[in-house]
Amino acid sequence: QVQLQESGPGLVKPSDTLSLTCAVSDYSISSGNWWGWIRQPPGKGLEWIGYIYYSGITFYNPSLKSRVTMSVDTSKRQFSLKLSSVTAVDTAVYYCAKFSGWYSYWGQGTLVTVSS
Amino acid sequence: DIQMTQSPSSLSASVRDRVTITCQASQDINKSLNWYQQKPGKAPKLLIYDASNLKTGVPSRFTGSGSGTDFTLTISSLQPEDVAAYYCQHYVSLPYTFGQGTKLEIK
Repeated sequence: QVQLQESGPGLVKPSDTLSLTCAVSDYSISSGNWWGWIRQPPGKGLEWIGYIYYSGITFYNPSLKSRVTMSVDTSKRQFSLKLSSVTAVDTAVYYCAKFSGWYSYWGQGTLVTVSS
Repeated sequence: DIQMTQSPSSLSASVRDRVTITCQASQDINKSLNWYQQKPGKAPKLLIYDASNLKTGVPSRFTGSGSGTDFTLTISSLQPEDVAAYYCQHYVSLPYTFGQGTKLEIK
């Protein structure tokens, strides 16, 4: 059973960079799967942010591409998300997940609020 | 981008009712369609992948069907624990968008 756990600041100031990490346990992050980030604004639906392969190949949502950077650290069994120049509309619960056409395993999610 | 449209947006039904949620894609996605259940305050969980394959451990009262542009999630006999939001998601071409969700409540 794959376990994923998001971590990072719960409060980010406008124009700053949001940084989150997803720790993967009970599964090898290098086992040929994609790892993704999804977010959900309060009371709203799900939005795909991007994916990263263990080799570092990435795909980003075009609507966020100019502000998103994802990375992976196989030695630490974790992957990361950076979202720059955040505004209030970036306030959301951020989930990390294992992706193989479908999101088969999810982290519990972490709420990030953008506010001064 | 492929748009995914779910209907209805919200639904209220009685225990043991048969419930149907639909998802329509803006273009042909073959069977590249997944369904998720999200209970309040929790992360989504995969129910069905590739339109009709039930994830191991998901109750058999959940079934998925469809191909091309029109898909259906059916709960054969609604249970109190099925109160949740349900989302469809395609994976034909990037971005792999979600439907807007269907909120299911017990009458």
